[in-house]
Amino acid sequence: EIVLTQSPGTLSLSPGERATLSCRASHSLRSRYLAWYQQKPGQAPRLLIYGTSSRATGIPDRFSGSGSGTDFTLTISRLEPEDFAVYYCQQYGTSPTWTFGQGTKVEIK
Amino acid sequence: QVQLVQSGAEVKKPGASVKVSCKASGDTFSSYSFSWVRQAPGQGLEWMGRIIPILTLANYAQKFQDRVTITADKSTGTAYMELSSLRSEDTAVYYCARGPPPQGYSGMDVWGQGTMVTVSS
Repeated sequence: EIVLTQSPGTLSLSPGERATLSCRASHSLRSRYLAWYQQKPGQAPRLLIYGTSSRATGIPDRFSGSGSGTDFTLTISRLEPEDFAVYYCQQYGTSPTWTFGQGTKVEIK
Repeated sequence: QVQLVQSGAEVKKPGASVKVSCKASGDTFSSYSFSWVRQAPGQGLEWMGRIIPILTLANYAQKFQDRVTITADKSTGTAYMELSSLRSEDTAVYYCARGPPPQGYSGMDVWGQGTMVTVSS
């Protein structure tokens, strides 16, 4: 099973600041199969990024994804109040079984 | 606009089974895959398995291999997840999510509203 490790566990930032979230895989991933999700309390997750760097429908361009191999990054260029949430990376397609990282909480400083 | 509508909350006793449904509307059901993801209270997301209706093919996370069965009814556009031998640790919100079609890479772009399953004696 491919293990995804996200860091940091919690990121404390102010609105307007830049957020950089990391996702490291235990095995090299096929870049087309790395996604990021946002989840707010009491809500289902929402797809932000798929294929490492493609934004899902309706996702603002302050969200961007990058990376390859075992190291991937989600960047939020300027945090808006609605961006404070938990973010998960997920690998799908590199192996038959898919996995999520443990999540990074972005909280207001 | 595709939507996934899940069945309602369940309360089960330890050792019982639960079957949760997920009905798709507004788009082509069989072309996509459908995953089940669970989230225990205060915890992260855990992928359980998925089915590709057009292939009638399902695969599961190793952790759930012996206890979960995912099926799909193409005629009604509904996916199902059945979990057996329930224990207290299975108390969680269970989500269905639409995933990419075979050879696709679009991620899980549509999610159901979640179904709370509580296991308690």
